[in-house]
Amino acid sequence: GENVEQHPSTLSVQEGDSAVIKCTYSDSASNYFPWYKQELGKRPQLIIDIRSNVGEKKDQRIAVTLNKTAKHFSLHITETQPEDSAVYFCAAVQGAQKLVFGQGTRLTINP
Amino acid sequence: ETGVTQTPRHLVMGMTNKKSLKCEQHLGHNAMYWYKQSAKKPLELMFVYNFKEQTENNSVPSRFSPECPNSSHLFLHLHTLQPEDSALYLCASSQSPTEAFFGQGTRLTVV
Repeated sequence: GENVEQHPSTLSVQEGDSAVIKCTYSDSASNYFPWYKQELGKRPQLIIDIRSNVGEKKDQRIAVTLNKTAKHFSLHITETQPEDSAVYFCAAVQGAQKLVFGQGTRLTINP
Repeated sequence: ETGVTQTPRHLVMGMTNKKSLKCEQHLGHNAMYWYKQSAKKPLELMFVYNFKEQTENNSVPSRFSPECPNSSHLFLHLHTLQPEDSALYLCASSQSPTEAFFGQGTRLTVV
């Protein structure tokens, strides 16, 4: 089955700097790669996603890249702000339904 | 509010009790999921249902028994749980393979 590895497990950056979180997946049949943000005490919520037929997608300060050959994808957050502090999860969808998450990255933005 | 509602929000049960968690969505989604969230494994997939049919059982112990009577409702029946089963149980739904919407979760404590 699908296995998603996420690194780093914790990340601390200065406000205004960039943050990068990386994930790898095992199943080449996976075709959809969402990223979720979970703030303390709240449910995970989608922030950006990318499909296997696209190499890069950007939404304001957030961008995601996908390398299908290497089976890895990354989340990039630029000009980080205190409200970006949260736990971020990458995920891969295998087939039609199986949504498998990485282990999460706790991002802390230092003022 | 994401359109996915879980009850109860908090549950304390003894190891000999039987209880059920409920999840409800009226988003017209075809897939529903149970996830376990703990410090050890932040978002661990337990079960997947697609059009009421179970399509994934991620080696979950039989003391957890899911039920999906229709595409809007999902239950997780619990019996003879162990203290290590204490965690946040999250339900999600999606019109796969697109964005999954999470409920608020049930915080379960087994005593």
